[in-house]
Amino acid sequence: SQTIHQWPATLVQPVGSPLSLECTVEGTSNPNLYWYRQAAGRGLQLLFYSVGIGQISSEVPQNLSASRPQDRQFILSSKKLLLSDSGFYLCALGPAGTYYEQYFGPGTRLTVT
Amino acid sequence: SQQGEEDPQALSIQEGENATMNCSYKTSINNLQWYRQNSGRGLVHLILIRSNEREKHSGRLRVTLDTSKKSSSLLITASRAADTASYFCATGTGNQFYFGTGTSLTVIP
Repeated sequence: SQTIHQWPATLVQPVGSPLSLECTVEGTSNPNLYWYRQAAGRGLQLLFYSVGIGQISSEVPQNLSASRPQDRQFILSSKKLLLSDSGFYLCALGPAGTYYEQYFGPGTRLTVT
Repeated sequence: SQQGEEDPQALSIQEGENATMNCSYKTSINNLQWYRQNSGRGLVHLILIRSNEREKHSGRLRVTLDTSKKSSSLLITASRAADTASYFCATGTGNQFYFGTGTSLTVIP
């Protein structure tokens, strides 16, 4: 079965500091990978998705970037965090295609102070 | 935007009652999915309905889809305290998924 690992679980960072969140998956090959952000009490905002190594699509202009250096690794980064980057970051995977559900990791709660 | 919107934003019911939540979306879709999120956790997939389907059942869950009205509903029958969570609809086209704003369901024992 598929497993998604995210770390760290929680993170408190000062404004202007860099960020690196890592997501790794097991039990699948060549998945589509996604980064979502969820503000407190809100829905999910799709940030990035990747259909393969080195292939990144960005949904919204922002202070963040993503990379996929390996098939089962997806990294979310920032050079300088803003207060507005605070939120709950979720990594998800989905098989390629139209009629498949997504599987979500446990998430990382980021607080920018 | 393809993002869906759930209605109501919050719902509180007694255990044993049925819970109904609705989702509206704006553009054409290939499928619509419902997810559940317990507080502070990742989302868990509940059910997927394709654009050519009108109704689907899974245990105590019943989902309907009306593509002419661009809306879907999720019915949870005989609710339990463990059903307390936020519920999100998600619309998908190809590789991308867009989630709604969610309905927060509280089931009172």
